[in-house]
Amino acid sequence: AQTVTQSQPEMSVQEAETVTLSCTYDTSENNYYLFWYKQPPSRQMILVIRQEAYKQQNATENRFSVNFQKAAKSFSLKISDSQLGDTAMYFCAFMKFTYSGNTPLVFGKGTRLSVIA
Amino acid sequence: DAGVTQSPTHLIKTRGQQVTLRCSPKSGHDTVSWYQQALGQGPQFIFQYYEEEERQRGNFPDRFSGHQFPNYSSELNVNALLLGDSALYLCASSLDEAEQFFGPGTRLTVL
Repeated sequence: AQTVTQSQPEMSVQEAETVTLSCTYDTSENNYYLFWYKQPPSRQMILVIRQEAYKQQNATENRFSVNFQKAAKSFSLKISDSQLGDTAMYFCAFMKFTYSGNTPLVFGKGTRLSVIA
Repeated sequence: DAGVTQSPTHLIKTRGQQVTLRCSPKSGHDTVSWYQQALGQGPQFIFQYYEEEERQRGNFPDRFSGHQFPNYSSELNVNALLLGDSALYLCASSLDEAEQFFGPGTRLTVL
């Protein structure tokens, strides 16, 4: 079974600064996906960024980038130029790859990020 | 293009009652997954429906059951409600790709 661990329950960052959220996971699978989801107070879970395990290049989406270390089973999220709208719960999630369609997402417990003006 | 929709938004029930939650997937998506998110926790997988059949199931008792209709919409039923069933229930839809699109959730409170 896969597990996802987020060791930072809460973090805060000043507006315009950079913050890094940590995530480690445990799996015996070789092919999988990793995700960061954002859940603002509105509760809607929004995909921030995704990484395919077979890709060595770290994924980037505008101000969001990841540091994927497959051997260390580490997947951190860096948010640059933090904005007030980034305030939310952030969840790291794992999905095993199969050819037969989606498999369940396995989530960490989340990190509550507060961006301070 | 409407995203994933869920109804109702909030629901209050008492112990022992039964509840039905509904989900309409994103247009064109044929797979629906349900997750339970307890307060302060990450979502936990309940089950997944594809072609009107339960394809995968998480570690939830038989009190949790579901259904998928020919138009791919889905229902989650919970019987004999317990206080511990109080949570946010999230529906996610997908189409043969890694990304799952989530709805806004239904907040269930069991008194």
